[in-house]
This record gives sequence, structure tokens and C-alpha cells, in this order.
Amino acid sequence: DGGITQSPKYLFRKEGQNVTLSCEQNLNHDAMYWYRQDPGQGLRLIYYSQIVNDFQKGDIAEGYSVSREKKESFPLTVTSAQKNPTAFYLCASSPGTKSYEQYFGPGTRLTVT
Amino acid sequence: AQSVAQPEDQVNVAEGNPLTVKCTYSVSGNPYLFWYVQYPNRGLQFLLKYITGDNLVKGSYGFEAEFNKSQTSFHLKKPSALVSDSALYFCAVRDDGRNQGGKLIFGQGTELSVKP
Repeated sequence: DGGITQSPKYLFRKEGQNVTLSCEQNLNHDAMYWYRQDPGQGLRLIYYSQIVNDFQKGDIAEGYSVSREKKESFPLTVTSAQKNPTAFYLCASSPGTKSYEQYFGPGTRLTVT
Repeated sequence: AQSVAQPEDQVNVAEGNPLTVKCTYSVSGNPYLFWYVQYPNRGLQFLLKYITGDNLVKGSYGFEAEFNKSQTSFHLKKPSALVSDSALYFCAVRDDGRNQGGKLIFGQGTELSVKP
């Protein structure tokens, strides 16, 4: 099956710990994105990558880091510097950056206590 | 700055009735507009998009959307609602600013509830 996978579906961490969320796609898409979803706020862009070994900050990048060493993979690390990390995190990919729609993974719900 | 507004937090419709979920946008250039649907604890599913051409765009699951340039709107519609259409709907516009990498700007979402 082609698509985007995110793991795990649910993740629990203690405050002060870094945690890495996985995102993998086998669609051969060039562009990948990470969004954060909070109730009543829609989706906000954390980071995006248009090609391998390159990525750009989105609107709320503080406290997060990413890497894009392979075309298929775009992991997101939520660091201890992120003040409110509890949220639903969505990864997406797109064939390009012009008129293409983005395809979303199933999401990871992170709870930090 | 580019923006998207969904003026209704919730829309309630009876099954079999037509439904409309509203969206207005603001962009500096030509708008690339999208609708997505999200079921609880799931990712977003693409419904339809407007890039250019006919103002009435048809999409998945019987949904369509009407692009209105003068009113800067892109309302989602369906002639006959189903209970299974109950979900969270997002309108989005592509950020046409320089070097934005295809970033989408999302509205805050509209919760659609279809009652039997």
C-alpha cells in the first residue's frame, strides 16, 4: 500500500524529555511537512522540507527540530524547550510545492505530563 | 498576509438536506484552495481543490465547492447530507508568498453534525 505512516499513534512522555515522532512515505514525494493541531486552532506548520537535506522553519518551529536525510523520512523531535508539547501531530507530503494537494498521515497524539 | 476564515464553528444539518460549510480567503495572488475532512483521531483526507478553470469543483464523496472570486469565498456543498458526513472540515489556501514551499494555511475548522 502506498501512503504515509506515522508512529506511534499515541505517545506519552514526562516533562523534560525529548521525544521523536516518526513519519515515513512511500509516495516518492519531494515535499514533506509537519503540522501541530490543537482544538479550535486548526493546523499550524512546524517545519517543512522541499528536498532531501534541506528544511525550513514554519510558523511555530521553536522547541522542535527535524532532519531529512532520506526522501522517504522526515522525523520530528519535540525537545524539552517546547513549552506546550501536548498536541496532535500530523505529517504530510506532496509531489511538489505548486498546485498539489498534501496527503496526510494518521497522526501521533503526544501527551506530556 | 494570506489567511483563511471559516466563520462557523459548527454546522447542524438533517440527513437528506443540503449542506454548506463556509470558507473565505485572502491572498495576494491567484488562490489555490483546498478542502479536507478529518474524522476523530485521524489524519486529514483531501476532498477537492480549486486551481483554475470552472468555478464549481467536484470532489470525493459527492462534495463540491463553489469558487467565487468577487466574494473571495470557497464554500463546500453537498446536495444531500449523510450521517456519515459528520466530521471536522478544514478549508486551506496555499501560501503564495516567496519561498513558502507549498505551505498551506488552514482555517480553524468547522464541525459538521448530520442528524438522522
